[in-house]
Amino acid sequence: EVQLVQSGAEVKKPGESLKISCKYSGDSFTGYWIGWVRQMPGKGLESMGIIYPGDSDTRYSPSLQGQVTISVDNSITTAYLQWGSLRASDTAVYYCATGDSYGQFDYWGQGTLVTVSS
Amino acid sequence: QSALTQPPSASGSPGQSVTISCTGASSDIGGYDYVSWYQQHPGKAPKLMIYEVNKRPSGVPDRFSGSKSGNTASLTVSGLQAEDEADYYCSSYAGSNSFGVFGTGTKVTVL
Repeated sequence: EVQLVQSGAEVKKPGESLKISCKYSGDSFTGYWIGWVRQMPGKGLESMGIIYPGDSDTRYSPSLQGQVTISVDNSITTAYLQWGSLRASDTAVYYCATGDSYGQFDYWGQGTLVTVSS
Repeated sequence: QSALTQPPSASGSPGQSVTISCTGASSDIGGYDYVSWYQQHPGKAPKLMIYEVNKRPSGVPDRFSGSKSGNTASLTVSGLQAEDEADYYCSSYAGSNSFGVFGTGTKVTVL
């Protein structure tokens, strides 16, 4: 069975960089898309982007293009979401999930809380 | 990509049915049969309940069903149970160069 285990909660200051991770276990890491979904405090779900580990094909939400980078390391079956310069508005819970290129996600990580505050 | 529109809340008594709508456009729901529904309990990760409009993943009770008509998709929960109280989100594919767009979410209360 597929399991996704995300890195722990982070507290950062505006302007700092951050990279959170999503460790995949199960079969065929390179055969599924991995997506990142944001949930700001008290708000709904928002798709950020998806990546296909098989060929690193990556797609971003137009509203977030350039603000984050999604990557994978196939050797350790881990996906990443990173920021070069955090803002207070990046405060949210971030989920990774596996699925297809149509945005249908069947397995989810437990979520990583990122708090950005001065 | 604008979020799909869902009613903020819905409710029903145990044993009754509740239907949640999800309204989009011809560029998303109306154009593709890639509508999915997620259940999220407070403080928990979302769980896939329906995919490809009306298919249930293994382990999801058949009390949950999905449908689509035109630009609107619907999730029906029959025989409501206390554990069905949660937030529900729809999602739809919105064409190439995109992946999925979520709905605004509906809080279901079991009275």
